[in-house]
Amino acid sequence: NAGVTQTPKFQVLKTGQSMTLQCAQDMNHEYMSWYRQDPGMGLRLIHYSVGAGITDQGEVPNGYNVSRSTTEDFPLRLLSAAPSQTSVYFCASSYGPNWPQHFGDGTRLSIL
Amino acid sequence: TQLLEQSPQFLSIQEGENLTVYCNSSSVFSSLQWYRQEPGEGPVLLVTVVTGGEVKKLKRLTFQFGDARKDSSLHITAAQPGDTGLYLCAGDGGANNLFFGTGTRLTVIP
Repeated sequence: NAGVTQTPKFQVLKTGQSMTLQCAQDMNHEYMSWYRQDPGMGLRLIHYSVGAGITDQGEVPNGYNVSRSTTEDFPLRLLSAAPSQTSVYFCASSYGPNWPQHFGDGTRLSIL
Repeated sequence: TQLLEQSPQFLSIQEGENLTVYCNSSSVFSSLQWYRQEPGEGPVLLVTVVTGGEVKKLKRLTFQFGDARKDSSLHITAAQPGDTGLYLCAGDGGANNLFFGTGTRLTVIP
C-alpha cells in the first residue's frame, strides 16, 4: 500500500544547479499537485495536473516546471536552483482537485 | 488568492486540557478540509465539512463549519500527547485547487 511516494527525501544543491523531484502514486488518481511548505506560510500550490498530458500553474510556479506523461508520475523540475527555493516540497494526489488530498512524506531541499 | 488565516499560530497545553483552533477567511468556500501533519510526514485528512453550520465529531475532535461558510473551528476535548502536530485547514474555493491555511502548531505536554 505505497500511496504517494516522493524521492529523494533530502537534497542539498548549489545555486544554479538543476534537479528533478520525483512523485509517483499507485491509486489511479487523475489529479496530482505539488506544494511547497515554508514556516508560517502554510502549503502553497506550485503546479497541478488534472490528468495525463494536462498541467497548469498554481500560486507560486516561477522557477519550476512539470510534466505528466503518465497517470502515475508527476515530476517537478527546478531549472536553476536559487536559495529562495529552499523548502519542504510535498506531492499530493486525489480523485479531483477538491477531494481529500493524499500526500507524500515530502522532500527537504536546501539550496546553498 | 483566497486567504485562510488560522489562529493561534502556536499552542502549548497540558494533557487533559481543552482547546479550540480557528480558521477564518473573507471568502466563501463550498467545503473545507482539516488535516493534521506530524513531523517528517505529509498532512493527513481528518475531516471534510460541506454544509454551513455543519458539526462533525471524530472521537475527541469536534469540527464546525460557519453558517456563512467563511470560517471553521476545531475543538479538542481532553487533549492527549498524541494530538501533537500541525493542524491545517484547506478551503475549496471552486477553482482547480485547495487553498491552505497557515496552520496551528499544537504541543500537548504530558
